[in-house]
Amino acid sequence: QQPVQSPQAVILREGEDAVINCSSSKALYSVHWYRQKHGEAPIFLMILLKGGEQKGHDKISASFNEKKQQSSLYLTASQLSYSGTYFCGSEGGGSNYKLTFGKGTLLTVNP
Amino acid sequence: NAGVTQTPKFQVLKTGQSMTLQCAQDMNHEYMSWYRQDPGMGLRLIHYSVGAGITDQGEVPNGYNVSRSTTEDFPLRLLSAAPSQTSVYFCASSPWDSNYGYTFGSGTRLTVV
Repeated sequence: QQPVQSPQAVILREGEDAVINCSSSKALYSVHWYRQKHGEAPIFLMILLKGGEQKGHDKISASFNEKKQQSSLYLTASQLSYSGTYFCGSEGGGSNYKLTFGKGTLLTVNP
Repeated sequence: NAGVTQTPKFQVLKTGQSMTLQCAQDMNHEYMSWYRQDPGMGLRLIHYSVGAGITDQGEVPNGYNVSRSTTEDFPLRLLSAAPSQTSVYFCASSPWDSNYGYTFGSGTRLTVV
């Protein structure tokens, strides 16, 4: 099953913060985060592994709660370039190499 | 490095026609996969491969075939196109190292009339 993302859409002003959540009904081995701009391919942001630490670069970070089977993406001091659709992808691990994506969260950052 | 190359970028088919979407990567990645993207549905996995000669089904495999004869290429075949297969198709690849995510191709926009 697809992981569930929330919210479906969010509108920010430049400089504001946002949190995007991703939850799964299945046990997770890893969670991926991607950003896609309109008409372009998804771009990899980061991956969080089971037992791993919270990751981040620049002002975008993420956490992974294995027990709750949830991950959250944190965008701080948002920039116009952060606009796009954010997807989380969940992987079950073991011999399951399938990366299943959520339906996405549309983030719009306005001046 | 070209990354992941998909051809064609756009295609219009008539119902019942067959065609092959091409995907090639030059990063020596073991894992390759095909997704389709429809409005409001996110990315749905069609087929994937963990290496040459090995393929498996994803969430929405019906109406599609794949094969992987080389590490570099992973073509997707539509056997008899249907309007429900109108979509944007993305090919993606990744190495086995879990610290790396997927690299996506630029996509193929397919319309079946």
